[in-house]
Order: sequence, then C-alpha cells, then structure tokens
Amino acid sequence: GESVGLHLPTLSVQEGDNSIINCAYSNSASDYFIWYKQESGKGPQFIIDIRSNMDKRQGQRVTVLLNKTVKHLSLQIAATQPGDSAVYFCAENRKSGGGADGLTFGKGTHLIIQP
Amino acid sequence: KAGVTQTPRYLIKTRGQQVTLSCSPISGHRSVSWYQQTPGQGLQFLFEYFSETQRNKGNFPGRFSGRQFSNSRSEMNVSTLELGDSALYLCASSVTGRGYEQYFGPGTRLTVT
Repeated sequence: GESVGLHLPTLSVQEGDNSIINCAYSNSASDYFIWYKQESGKGPQFIIDIRSNMDKRQGQRVTVLLNKTVKHLSLQIAATQPGDSAVYFCAENRKSGGGADGLTFGKGTHLIIQP
Repeated sequence: KAGVTQTPRYLIKTRGQQVTLSCSPISGHRSVSWYQQTPGQGLQFLFEYFSETQRNKGNFPGRFSGRQFSNSRSEMNVSTLELGDSALYLCASSVTGRGYEQYFGPGTRLTVT
C-alpha cells in the first residue's frame, strides 16, 4: 500500500552543525505533510507542517522543503543542539481541509548528536 | 493548558483477556485519534473520534474498538488479546480543522504475555 518512508534509520551529526532528515512519499493526494519528533519515553511532538501547495516553510531553527516532482520531503534543523536528539517522523494527512483522516507515518530517523 | 493524558501508563495482560485504555484530550480539542506503535510496524492509525462518532478507521481487526464521551474523553478497547497486540498505544487530540497538528499523550505501554 501507499506509505510515507524515510531514507535513513539513523543520522549522526556534530553539535552545532545543520541536520537534514529526508523522507520520500508516494501519495500525491496528501493535503498536508508534517514532521514530528519523538523523544525517548514520550509521545510524538508536532514540529512543523507544510501544505501540498507550498514548497518551503520555515519555523524556529527548522525548515521543511517539499518537492512534489520527486515526492520528497525534508526537514532541516539549523545549529543542532543536544535537545534535538530524538526520532523524527514524517507523516502525511490525506484529508483535504486539515481534517483528521488519520496520519500515515514513516518509519522514523533517529538523530544522534555528537558532542 | 494541560496536555493529553493517558491512563494507565503501563499494563500487563494475558492472551485472551481484554483491556480498556483511557485518554483525556487537551481542553477544547474535540477530535481524538488513537495510534499503535511497535518496533516492527511503526506508528499506525487505529481510529479517530469526533463529537462521539467514529469518523475514520485504520486497518485493524474488529477486536480493536473505541468510543468517545460527551466531554471528548475517549477509551479504546482491545478484546481477546494476542501476543502481537503488545505495543505502545498513543492517543492524540487536535483542534477542529487542523487534524494534521496532533498533540500526543505519553502513551500506554501494553504487554501481552
């Protein structure tokens, strides 16, 4: 079936460097693409979303890029800090208008911050 | 504002038993969704409730059911537990019209022996 996937299960970066986490999706009908962060022992935490009619969206230290041509989504984290260590999931929402049609999650990338 | 709360946090059950998990959404959030998280299958959508009605359902057997009360609190039930039901069950709530921005609780860790 259609799903949202990530390229790498683990990504290790030096503290202070920029991190780029990638995700490939297959459902062109998705309305929103979202990034969540899950720290050990906690539920996923919303980071940022991007609507399908956008290419780029910026938040605080994070930028999400959407390339619909190749069905690719990425999350860039600037100046990575120890607190950024977590598993990052991309997800898609397939219901138009932002309704909760159930999020489809990718497998997750574990971001490890090296001191 | 208080976050999403789930009870109990940990649960151990035996095969064949049934279990009920509880979730209290963020005040003002009327949509509640449930997810199952396992190392093998990742995060999978179970169902979503809005105004006491199941609005959407994922691809899970009928042993998995849920309900929502008038105060938006929700419960999910799993009957005839199987070993494969061992997982972290996550509840999430969202504001009407922003279903992509879900706020998750800490989850209930269910172990089936």
